[in-house]
Amino acid sequence: SQTIHQWPATLVQPVGSPLSLECTVEGTSNPNLYWYRQAAGRGLQLLFYSVGIGQISSEVPQNLSASRPQDRQFILSSKKLLLSDSGFYLCAWSHSGGGYEQYFGPGTRLTVT
Amino acid sequence: SQQGEEDPQALSIQEGENATMNCSYKTSINNLQWYRQNSGRGLVHLILIRSNEREKHSGRLRVTLDTSKKSSSLLITASRAADTASYFCATEHMDSSYKLIFGSGTRLLVRP
Repeated sequence: SQTIHQWPATLVQPVGSPLSLECTVEGTSNPNLYWYRQAAGRGLQLLFYSVGIGQISSEVPQNLSASRPQDRQFILSSKKLLLSDSGFYLCAWSHSGGGYEQYFGPGTRLTVT
Repeated sequence: SQQGEEDPQALSIQEGENATMNCSYKTSINNLQWYRQNSGRGLVHLILIRSNEREKHSGRLRVTLDTSKKSSSLLITASRAADTASYFCATEHMDSSYKLIFGSGTRLLVRP
């Protein structure tokens, strides 16, 4: 069966510090991968998605970036965090192609102080 | 914006009652999906309904889709306290496969 891992679960970082959140998927190959951000009490905002290694599509211009160095690894990064980067970050995967449901990781709660 | 809108934003019912949540969207879709999120957790997929389907069931869940009105509803029958969560609709649009556009969600509270 497939599983998705995200870490860390919680993170408190000062403004201006770098960020690296990692997501890995097991039990499937060539998945579509997604990074979302969720503000408190709100819906999900799609940040990045990837349909293959090295292929990243950005949905929202900001100081975040994403990379997919391996088939089942998706990394969200920032060189310098802003206060507005605080939120709940969720990674998800789906089978390749369109028309499939997405499976979500447990999320990372990021607080920028 | 393609973003879906859920209605109501919050719903409080007694255990055993039915809960109905609605979702509206703006442009043509390939499919519409419903997800559930417990507080502070990741989302869990509930049901996917394709644009050529009108109704789908899964256990106590019933989803309807009206593409002419660009709307969907999620019905939870015989609710339980454990159904307390936020429920989101998400749409995959014809001009942007691979991506889902999520609504802002309905917060459901089921009182024991």
